[in-house]
Amino acid sequence: QKEVEQNSGPLSVPEGAIASLNCTYSDRGSQSFFWYRQYSGKSPELIMSIYSNGDKEDGRFTAQLNKASQYVSLLIRDSQPSDSATYLCAVKSGGSYIPTFGRGTSLIVHP
Amino acid sequence: DTGVSQDPRHKITKRGQNVTFRCDPISEHNRLYWYRQTLGQGPEFLTYFQNEAQLEKSRLLSDRFSAERPKGSFSTLEIQRTEQGDSAMYLCASSRASNTGELFFGEGSRLTVL
Repeated sequence: QKEVEQNSGPLSVPEGAIASLNCTYSDRGSQSFFWYRQYSGKSPELIMSIYSNGDKEDGRFTAQLNKASQYVSLLIRDSQPSDSATYLCAVKSGGSYIPTFGRGTSLIVHP
Repeated sequence: DTGVSQDPRHKITKRGQNVTFRCDPISEHNRLYWYRQTLGQGPEFLTYFQNEAQLEKSRLLSDRFSAERPKGSFSTLEIQRTEQGDSAMYLCASSRASNTGELFFGEGSRLTVL
């Protein structure tokens, strides 16, 4: 069974700090990796996707992928209170159309 | 608004009743997904359509659940003989033909079974 593991948190960081969110996955055939943000009471919103090893930067967000270690992370620089949300990691294998989601990590950015 | 739309947004029903949810995907997206999410959990896959063909269903999808996507446009998810354990947020998502796996979610339909 394909599993995607995330620490449920909450992860609490002060405003302006770097928030580091981590995700591990069990399926070595995984080829596509995604981070979604979900505000309380809202639906998930795609914020980053990454397909190859290394770092991918988009504004204050950096996704990092290490396929050998089956590990993907999301860094949020200069964290803002508006970043407070649950961050969901999703993983898709090459032969599948179905992303599998982790349970999400709750991030709290306090002023 | 050209995003994914779901209806109704909220549904309260009594145990044993049938409920139906509708999803209208982004118009140029041919892939449509249904997920279910409960409090503190990530979205759990239910079923997937490519155009009008239902290509995959979760083993968790009991025979009380049925989904359709006639003509490859909107989709419906019906739950028959609802149980309290069916209470959840039902999320619809769509994606482009290129199989990137990038999903665009609707606002969800929250079901409460009394």
